[in-house]
Amino acid sequence: RKEVEQDPGPFNVPEGATVAFNCTYSNSASQSFFWYRQDCRKEPKLLMSVYSSGNEDGRFTAQLNRASQYISLLIRDSKLSDSATYLCVVNTPGGDSSYKLIFGSGTRLLVRP
Amino acid sequence: SQTIHQWPATLVQPVGSPLSLECTVEGTSNPNLYWYRQAAGRGLQLLFYSVGIGQISSEVPQNLSASRPQDRQFILSSKKLLLSDSGFYLCAWALGTGSEKLFFGSGTQLSVL
Repeated sequence: RKEVEQDPGPFNVPEGATVAFNCTYSNSASQSFFWYRQDCRKEPKLLMSVYSSGNEDGRFTAQLNRASQYISLLIRDSKLSDSATYLCVVNTPGGDSSYKLIFGSGTRLLVRP
Repeated sequence: SQTIHQWPATLVQPVGSPLSLECTVEGTSNPNLYWYRQAAGRGLQLLFYSVGIGQISSEVPQNLSASRPQDRQFILSSKKLLLSDSGFYLCAWALGTGSEKLFFGSGTQLSVL
C-alpha cells in the first residue's frame, strides 16, 4: 500500500464549480499534513497546511480526519487559474527518529471556461 | 529571507556518464534537506533526506547517491547514469522536524539518452 494515495483525476470542471479532492495516508503516526499545488514543469508550492480542526483560506478549505487517516481539499468557485495538479503531503516518521515528507502522486484539476 | 538555489535547470547526459546536481540554501541554518524525483506525469518520489552534515538517509535502492558536505549544501550524484534516471529532480528544504513546511528549488530536468 502506498504511504499517501490520491485519485489522479483529471477532474474537469466548469468555472464557478465546487470541487473536492481526497487523500489517504497509511502511517497513523504521521504528524502534519499539507496541500501543495504544482503547475506543469514547475516546482510544487505550498497551498495550505491542514489542521485537525479544519481550516479555510479564501476559496480553499482543508479538512483532516485522523481516525480515518483521510485529508481533503475543497475548492469553491473554481477559477481558470486553479488548473494545476494538487499534491497531498504527509509528514511521516523516518527510521532514524526524524520525519520525512511524503507526497501523493497528485490530483490533476482542469477548469474550463 | 531564505532562498534555495538548484542548478542546472536542464541537463542532457548520455547513458553511462556521471552526474552531479547541486543545491544550496541561504538565510537559514541546519535545515533538513531533501532530494525528490518526479517522472513524467507521476508524483514526487523521495530519494534522499538529510537532517545534518554528513547524515544521509536513502529511501529507495537506486543508481544515485547524495552527500551533504556543508550545512546548506546538498549534492546528488551518480557514477553512471541509466536511461531510467531521467526525470525532474527537485531539491527542497525545511526547518526542523514535525510541522515544517517544505520549500522547493526550481528543479532540474534531466534527460538521459
